[in-house]
Amino acid sequence: DADVTQTPRNRITKTGKRIMLECSQTKGHDRMYWYRQDPGLGLRLIYYSFDVKDINKGEISDGYSVSRQAQAKFSLSLESAIPNQTALYFCATSANRGASSYNEQFFGPGTRLTVL
Amino acid sequence: AQSVAQPEDQVNVAEGNPLTVKCTYSVSGNPYLFWYVQYPNRGLQFLLKYITGDNLVKGSYGFEAEFNKSQTSFHLKKPSALVSDSALYFCAVRVINQAGTALIFGKGTTLSVSS
Repeated sequence: DADVTQTPRNRITKTGKRIMLECSQTKGHDRMYWYRQDPGLGLRLIYYSFDVKDINKGEISDGYSVSRQAQAKFSLSLESAIPNQTALYFCATSANRGASSYNEQFFGPGTRLTVL
Repeated sequence: AQSVAQPEDQVNVAEGNPLTVKCTYSVSGNPYLFWYVQYPNRGLQFLLKYITGDNLVKGSYGFEAEFNKSQTSFHLKKPSALVSDSALYFCAVRVINQAGTALIFGKGTTLSVSS
C-alpha cells in the first residue's frame, strides 16, 4: 500500500550496531504495528500503538524498542542487533472503531534487514 | 490459546482448476477472520474478511472464502486459478487483549499455479 512507507528498504549491518527502521503513513490511521516475517513462521507482532501515547508489546518484543513520534510515524529500533534478528520487517496501520475498514490492516512494502 | 493454523505449506494447482487454501482457527468469542496475499518483494495486501453475516465472503481478484463455524475453518477458494495468483497467502484472526485488538497470522501457504 503506497500510503504506508518504510525506510530503508534494505539494510545490512553488523552485530552490536544500533539500527532504526522508520514507518510513515498518510492514511490518517491512529493504529500502527510492527511485524517481522521469517520463512515458515509467518508474521509475528513485535509492538503496536493505538495512538501517540500508547505503546504495547507484542508477541516478540525482546531486543526491540519503538517510538511513536507522531500519529503518522512509528519507528522500530534494535539497540544492539544480533544475527537472529535478520528478517523482513513490516509496518502496518489500521483505522479506529467505527471506520468502514476497522480491523483491516494496511501494510508497508517491508524492510529487509540482514545482521552479520 | 487463540491461534490460527494453515496446515499446508504449499498448494500446487494447474491453471484453470479450482483452488483451495485451508485455514482453521481457535479464538474466544465470535471470530473476525481475514485473508491477505503477499506477492514477491511486496507487502501484504488485504483480500477479504468475515465479520458477520453470510458465510460465503467474496473478495478481491475473484477469491472467496467460506466460514464454517462448526469446523472452525475459513478456507480461501477460487473457481479457476490463474498463474498470476501464485503468491504467499496468510490467514489471520482478530484477538482481543488487554490493550485492545490485534491480528494473529498463520504461517502462510505458498500457492503455485502452473500453466
